[in-house]
Amino acid sequence: GAVVSQHPSWVICKSGTSVKIECRSLDFQATTMFWYRQFPKQSLMLMATSNEGSKATYEQGVEKDKFLINHASLTLSTLTVTSAHPEDSSFYICSASDTEFPYEQYFGPGTRLTVT
Amino acid sequence: GEDVEQSLFLSVREGDSSVINCTYTDSSSTYLYWYKQEPGAGLQLLTYIFSNMDMKQDQRLTVLLNKKDKHLSLRIADTQTGDSAIYFCAEAPYNQGGKLIFGQGTELSVKP
Repeated sequence: GAVVSQHPSWVICKSGTSVKIECRSLDFQATTMFWYRQFPKQSLMLMATSNEGSKATYEQGVEKDKFLINHASLTLSTLTVTSAHPEDSSFYICSASDTEFPYEQYFGPGTRLTVT
Repeated sequence: GEDVEQSLFLSVREGDSSVINCTYTDSSSTYLYWYKQEPGAGLQLLTYIFSNMDMKQDQRLTVLLNKKDKHLSLRIADTQTGDSAIYFCAEAPYNQGGKLIFGQGTELSVKP
């Protein structure tokens, strides 16, 4: 159980376009989903936390107008990178939690974004 | 502030034990985690320990927690080549909605 999927697994887009990444919890209801960004050989940086039906909470330094997060249902959250630039190229990973005690986050396989 | 530190590399021979160390700063953290990441993949939860425990064992994995020193370690017994990966420790600060603070990751290389 506790499977999280991401789609697409990799995407290449041109500079200036927008890209949407989906994160789905397949066999549980995720009241909270997290979006992380990971640069090569580096740790995961939390970008934002989203709760179903409410606005996402962004970490300091993350542009909320650039990284749009929507958590429309208990099984789906989306991250849209708007007006993408080459510096947005990264590995984006989502995780989902049902917030039951203890806090266990189940991670998706990640999405590799390359902006040309 | 919240900070988690790990050494970046560890190399062991197949069959030996591996010990990956981690220090953290937030004493309010209720849970501490170990995740494994293989190349190009997401994170796999290996184990976690509650902050009032000193040790947790799960098959080949042993987690030791020294809360006084804010030191966490993961021991992998009989390390195999399939254990080669990056290992992240993470803390979950109290009352922050499940937010995880990750260390930089330790790259474990297991040589045959």
